[in-house]
Formats: sequence, structure tokens, C-alpha cells
Amino acid sequence: GAGVSQSPSNKVTEKGKDVELRCDPISGHTALYWYRQRLGQGLEFLIYFQGNSAPDKSGLPSDRFSAERTGESVSTLTIQRTQQEDSAVYLCASSLMGSEQFFGPGTRLTVL
Amino acid sequence: KQEVTQIPAALSVPEGENLVLNCSFTDSAIYNLQWFRQDPGKGLTSLLLIQSSQREQTSGRLNASLDKSSGRSTLYIAASQPGDSATYLCAASGSARQLTFGSGTQLTVLP
Repeated sequence: GAGVSQSPSNKVTEKGKDVELRCDPISGHTALYWYRQRLGQGLEFLIYFQGNSAPDKSGLPSDRFSAERTGESVSTLTIQRTQQEDSAVYLCASSLMGSEQFFGPGTRLTVL
Repeated sequence: KQEVTQIPAALSVPEGENLVLNCSFTDSAIYNLQWFRQDPGKGLTSLLLIQSSQREQTSGRLNASLDKSSGRSTLYIAASQPGDSATYLCAASGSARQLTFGSGTQLTVLP
């Protein structure tokens, strides 16, 4: 497909479990971003990857959150020991350097 | 720290009306500004991107302007249609490239 894809689309987990969310960016896009949107709130930046540079992790809310990116392709966001406040829609976006960001459909995470 | 504000939070207009959505940002050192629409339960659809060196961008019935010195952007929608009903988000990109989003304007176009 031509767009950003994310999986799973929905994830329900129990408090304390670890979860992995996946993002496949648009082919050729060097930049990849993770954001989250909690219910009734605005979008918050989490982490940014640009090529082979060290990622900008300044938006990660705690050390339970981490993300990896393989080269300029797929990225995985991992949340360890999930808490109820982690419930949100997690959105991934990709772009060419400094250009328009294109978003995936998101993963809706529910922590019970 | 960049802050983005959108006014109004909600807007309801009859079909066919022209309308303006407002966005303001506190740090004028932006790299670009992007407008999105978000439909319920869906992701974000990019509408327009304005680079910091540009004053406006147009796409179909949409026109976005940017005034860096005053920290403002507007999204003009001409001849609104019920299909335009959605939440409209503006987002500013700084030197670090991540977007700072406003809280959005929820638009309802009544048939």
C-alpha cells in the first residue's frame, strides 16, 4: 500500500503487561514519528527518528516507553508494565526530511 | 516551549457558507505549519502544508495562510459541504521537526 500502516488496529491488555505496536512508514520516507492521543486530549509527540541519527526521545513520558526503528523502515513502540493511563490511540507518521507528515490509522490501546 | 491554540473549539454552519478556522502559536521560529482533518475513529488526513517562507497554500476549496510575525494561521473553507464535517487540527513544526498540535476545531456543516 502507499500509505503508513499500523498494527494492530486495536489492542486490549491487562495492567502490568508489555505491548508492542508496529508502524510501517511510506517507502522512502526517512523520518518517522510516534504520537499519542488520549481520550478527549490533543496529540502528544513521543519520539522521532531521522535516518541513522540518534532518535529524539524527548516526548517519551516514562522509561517504560521505548521505540526502535530498523534502518529507514519499520518501527516498533514498546510499552512495558502498562498502566491504565497508557490507554490512548497511538499514531505513527512518516515524512521526507522536513516535509509533510503522513499519518497511519493508529492503534487503539486499552489497558484494563 | 511551543503552544498552539485553536479558536473556536466548535463551529456549526449551514451548508454553502464560507468559514475561517483560526490557529495561533507562541514561538514564531517554526519550520512549517500543517493543517489536518480528523474524522471520528480515524487517523489524520493532511490537508495543507505551509513552509515558513510561504504566506499561503491552496488546495481546491481550502486556503491556508501563515503570518509568522503575528504567530497566526487561518484555514479558509469555501462553499462548505456536509462532508467537510470533521475536527480540524493545526500543527506547528519547529527545528526538531516534531509537530505541536492545537486542540482542534470541531466543524459541523448542516445540510
